[in-house]
This record gives sequence, C-alpha cells and structure tokens, in this order.
Amino acid sequence: AQSVTQLGSHVSVSEGALVLLRCNYSSSVPPYLFWYVQYPNQGLQLLLKYTTGATLVKGINGFEAEFKKSETSFHLTKPSAHMSDAAEYFCAVRNTNAGKSTFGDGTTLTVKP
Amino acid sequence: DTAVSQTPKYLVTQMGNDKSIKCEQNLGHDTMYWYKQDSKKFLKIMFSYNNKELIINETVPNRFSPKSPDKAHLNLHINSLELGDSAVYFCASSREGANEKLFFGSGTQLSVL
Repeated sequence: AQSVTQLGSHVSVSEGALVLLRCNYSSSVPPYLFWYVQYPNQGLQLLLKYTTGATLVKGINGFEAEFKKSETSFHLTKPSAHMSDAAEYFCAVRNTNAGKSTFGDGTTLTVKP
Repeated sequence: DTAVSQTPKYLVTQMGNDKSIKCEQNLGHDTMYWYKQDSKKFLKIMFSYNNKELIINETVPNRFSPKSPDKAHLNLHINSLELGDSAVYFCASSREGANEKLFFGSGTQLSVL
C-alpha cells in the first residue's frame, strides 16, 4: 500500500522568500517519489524525482527536494520564490512494484509581490 | 508537436448523454493512463493500459469504459453522464518502469448540466 500526505493545502510566500512545501509518504516497499507542478488550465509536469542514489534531488526552475527515509518525507524547497512559481504542486509516490502513481491532495502556492 | 494530446479541451453536455474523450501520445510510450481531477484539485487514477492491455482499473462506475485501439491511443467513453462526473480528465503516458515520470495532456474540462 502507498499513500501521500501534503501538509498545508495553501502556502503563501512573498517574492524572494523561501518556499517550503511538505510531503510525507507511506510505502511498504522502497518508494519512488515525484513532485509535479500544475499551472492554471494545464496538465501536470514533472519538477523532480527521487529514485535511488543521492537523497538531495535538484529539479527545474531552481527547486530541490530531499528524501529522508527516517522521516518518510520528501519536502520541496526553493531558496527564493518568483511570481511565476504560483501554481498547484503535487507530491506523488510510486512503489517499485506498483503500476500506479498515488498523488497527494496538492498544495496551492501563492506568491505575493 | 504536442507529446500527449487530448480532445476536446472542453465538453459541456446534459445529464444522461454519452460522450467520449480521445487521447493520443507520440512519445512511443507503452503505458497510458486516465486520471480524474475534481473541483478541489484532487487527482485520482481511473485506468491504466500497457500495450493495449488494461492493467489498472480503480473503483470506477462501469459507465466509464476505456478503449485502447493501439498503444498510442487511449480513449475514454462515458455512458449516461451524471452531475458528479463533472471534472477535469487527464490523459497521461509513461515508459514502463515505476521510476518513470508521467507525461500529462492538458486536460478535458467536462461539465454535466
């Protein structure tokens, strides 16, 4: 079984401030973890993913995430928010032996000028 | 060229009607999916096909019937539409392998009146 919990359905930051979006997962086997971003009226696109190896993963648009097995977390960060980062962010987990991705409920990121 | 394209983008129809949504991917992927995103942005998998074979069928009313004529196409037919079917439906595709990312189409906004 696998599941994802995103803490905070809405996060608001000022432009230039740190972005932190939280994701905790549950998986009975080693997980693959993903962050996707959805801009208004668009489909989801991959920001970054963790499969194996280095636990700090860098993605597009300056985002990164760290896989912490002991905390079952995969939080997404960006040092300095930009107005264009305003979007819906989804964390997803996929088991090594499962055919489907399970998505969290999403976090809406608002960036204030 | 759009990697995953779905048509139509908008679909407005009356309760009780039957409608279809088409999806095509030109990425050469073996696996295709249908996801439903409700008004709260929650994303749930409905179906998954691998090389034209159904491999995931979540708890979806049997009014929903996917059809995959070849591995590049996955269509979704919905019979006897209900108000609760109103949502955004996303088609996605991926290579085989749990560590592979999903490529999403831009969605079909279905409104049942």
